[in-house]
Amino acid sequence: EAQVTQNPRYLITVTGKKLTVTCSQNMNHEYMSWYRQDPGLGLRQIYYSMNVEVTDKGDVPEGYKVSRKEKRNFPLILESPSPNQTSLYFCASSLSANRAGEAFFGQGTRLTVV
Amino acid sequence: SQELEQSPQSLIVQEGKNLTINCTSSKTLYGLYWYKQKYGEGLIFLMMLQKGGEEKSHEKITAKLDEKKQQSSLHITASQPSHAGIYLCGADMHSGAGSYQLTFGKGTKLSVIP
Repeated sequence: EAQVTQNPRYLITVTGKKLTVTCSQNMNHEYMSWYRQDPGLGLRQIYYSMNVEVTDKGDVPEGYKVSRKEKRNFPLILESPSPNQTSLYFCASSLSANRAGEAFFGQGTRLTVV
Repeated sequence: SQELEQSPQSLIVQEGKNLTINCTSSKTLYGLYWYKQKYGEGLIFLMMLQKGGEEKSHEKITAKLDEKKQQSSLHITASQPSHAGIYLCGADMHSGAGSYQLTFGKGTKLSVIP
């Protein structure tokens, strides 16, 4: 089954404690992306990757890091989480950058930073 | 300011009624995407529009992109409870070649009363 898998689904952590949210896709997609969704602000792109070893900033990259060492995986790293990073996070993948919006989305990770 | 404006923010309709959701931009849209989201879950890609005047349909949902490529509408005919959810538009609006960065509207929450 074609899917994008995020882990964990729920996470509560403390300010400053480094964490990683994993994202994996099984469709051999080139383009992957991370988003955060907040009430009143909608869905905003954090980082995206057009292919292995190619990443670029989205609209809200501050406080986040990503890496794309393999095609299937695109982890999101919060080196020092802060309460304003409490949000619902989505990973997505698409066949290619030219079709970035034709995306498969993961089920989301609800992160709370206290 | 929000680059993609969606209207209305919420909509309550009686089952069987038709409805329209709009997505408007002050900039040219190089790729316009429609998604559906169940509360707290990942987005499901519905349709992509790229050419001015383009129209696509899937089951009872029709999406159109105007000739100037600055406005799109999503029309649902004979709504059913299964249509309930949040509808989002997303777009590549940064350059003609495609910057591969996506911007989203804030979503329209649709409720369908049986």
